[in-house]
Amino acid sequence: AQTVTQSQPEMSVQEAETVTLSCTYDTSESDYYLFWYKQPPSRQMILVIRQEAYKQQNATENRFSVNFQKAAKSFSLKISDSQLGDAAMYFCAYRNTYNNNDMRFGAGTRLTVKP
Amino acid sequence: GAVVSQHPSRVICKSGTSVKIECRSLDFQATTMFWYRQFPKQSLMLMATSNEGSKATYEQGVEKDKFLINHASLTLSTLTVTSAHPEDSSFYICSARDRGQGNEKLFFGSGTQLSVL
Repeated sequence: AQTVTQSQPEMSVQEAETVTLSCTYDTSESDYYLFWYKQPPSRQMILVIRQEAYKQQNATENRFSVNFQKAAKSFSLKISDSQLGDAAMYFCAYRNTYNNNDMRFGAGTRLTVKP
Repeated sequence: GAVVSQHPSRVICKSGTSVKIECRSLDFQATTMFWYRQFPKQSLMLMATSNEGSKATYEQGVEKDKFLINHASLTLSTLTVTSAHPEDSSFYICSARDRGQGNEKLFFGSGTQLSVL
């Protein structure tokens, strides 16, 4: 079974600074998708960024970027120029390409942004 | 982007009653919807996969007679918590896959906080 591990229950960053959230996963598959979701206090799940495993290039979305290390099965999220609105729970998720219904979430990292 | 509407956002009910939660895809067709449960300060746990026109697939440990799922159309799936008990109190979230945008994109509802007294 695939598992997703987020080893940082809580992280804190100063406004305008950069923070990196860690995620590792375990799989025997070669094709899959990885995601970072944000869950603010409203509890609405928001897709931040996604990465296809077959792509070597790291995905970026404005201030959000990932460091995808396939061999190490690592998928960290970097938030640059942190803003107060970035404060939320962040969930790393894995989904098998061949089993579209099998999406696994990590335990989450609570990010606090200090003004 | 695609919008998934989940209703109600909050419900309080007495023990023994049944509660229905609706999940609608507003501007796309969703052949597959998913129901998750989230306990406080924990991650999302997949409960079941809802397929339009067929029976839902439940994850191990989830009682299908307790959590009834109906996916009668391409835009609506419902989750009914039958004979609710206090231990069923939780945050329930649905998600839907937009067929038109590829299989990797899921869109989430805003969740339902169920409190059983």
